[in-house]
Amino acid sequence: EVQLVESGGGLAQPGGSLRLSCAASGFTFTTYWMHWVRQAPGKGLVWVSRIKTDGTATGYADSVKGRFTVSRDNAKDTLYLQMNSLRAEDTAVYYCAREIRAGLDPWGQGTRVTVSS
Amino acid sequence: QSALTQPPSASGSPGQSVTISCTGTSSDVGAYNYVSWYQQHPGKAPKLMISEVSKRPSGVPDRFSGSKSGNTASLTVSGLQAEDEADYYCSSYAGSNIFVFGTGTKVTVL
Repeated sequence: EVQLVESGGGLAQPGGSLRLSCAASGFTFTTYWMHWVRQAPGKGLVWVSRIKTDGTATGYADSVKGRFTVSRDNAKDTLYLQMNSLRAEDTAVYYCAREIRAGLDPWGQGTRVTVSS
Repeated sequence: QSALTQPPSASGSPGQSVTISCTGTSSDVGAYNYVSWYQQHPGKAPKLMISEVSKRPSGVPDRFSGSKSGNTASLTVSGLQAEDEADYYCSSYAGSNIFVFGTGTKVTVL
């Protein structure tokens, strides 16, 4: 079964950092581009970041560029999102997802990040 | 990186059809045939319903169909069923490893 499981969410102070992880199983992780998408409470989906199969190419939403870094460890079948200089507006559920033909499928269950003092 | 524009809500009676629009620009929707659609029920993760404008992943009912004309993509749900009541989001590739989502549409089955 193809599965993505996020972890690492929690409470962080403004200006603080968190690292999210996404453990993949049930498919050949090394052959898929991967994404992070977030959803603030009661709001819509917002694309955050994308990373190539081998980690050599990345893309970021303007709202997180320079603060967030996506990476992957293909030996561990794990995707990461390092989030620095956190702001209140980064509060959201963060989902990881696999890209197939420019669509995202499947999605993980999400991990909740709250930025508050 | 502006969000794609969707109507906030749409509705229809069981058995009817509903169409949701997704308007972007010549830099995203109009530039690439990489529009996808997602269904999200409350408290659940999104589910891919359509990719590459009109392709249905395995397991998605053929009541769901997608199309595109110029800078606007559309999702049509035919033969509405109670379980189709959900939020729907479009997404498009925008070049340079950037993606963008739509503002979301809440579909109500009357």
